[in-house]
Amino acid sequence: QLHLQESGPRLLKPSETLSLTCSVSGDSFSEEIYYWGWIRQPPGKGLEWIGHIYYTGNSYYNPSLKSRVTMSVDTSKKQFSLSLSSVTAADTAVYYCARQGGGFLEGYGMDVWGQGTTITVSS
Amino acid sequence: SYELAQPPSVSVSPGQTATVACSGENLGNKFVCWYQHKIGQSPLLVIYQDNERPSGIPERFSGSNSGNTAILTISGAQAMDEADYYCQAWDRASASVVFGGGTKLTVL
Repeated sequence: QLHLQESGPRLLKPSETLSLTCSVSGDSFSEEIYYWGWIRQPPGKGLEWIGHIYYTGNSYYNPSLKSRVTMSVDTSKKQFSLSLSSVTAADTAVYYCARQGGGFLEGYGMDVWGQGTTITVSS
Repeated sequence: SYELAQPPSVSVSPGQTATVACSGENLGNKFVCWYQHKIGQSPLLVIYQDNERPSGIPERFSGSNSGNTAILTISGAQAMDEADYYCQAWDRASASVVFGGGTKLTVL
């Protein structure tokens, strides 16, 4: 059974950098068909895609966040990470990590999700 | 950038059929996924590739996609189906995952 778990500091001040790690338990981390992603939900709003990364390091980012986002992967630890710089109150949200169950063009969705972690940006 | 539009809310009586629409330019040329999101829980994939159900998703969930509109259908809606539902597609032009704004389904 695949399990994803987010971890990282939950309270940030404006202008700081948000750093989250998703730990993956199970055998699928380096399988070629999967991408690993981050999605967030601000309070009272809908889901917002942040980005996805492949185990090789190839990545896709939301164009609206691209200038502030960096994702990385550590296959030896079965972890992937998110870095979001220069945070503001607008970055306050529940952050989820998730597995993309196959190719994006082929219509495979995000079939396994972490439980989510609440990130608050406040001075 | 590519956009997906959903109605903010849909209501249905228990046992009746609920439909949630998702519209986007030439959406029928893309694959659509649907997620169920209940308060306090993680989103759950209920439909992928327009009309495929992941293992464990009840048969009452189905999907279609043609023209500019994708539809999630819940046949015989139950109280446990109350949730927010999000459509999602891949925009090749921007190499981006796109979510619709979400639809709150009420079963009453």
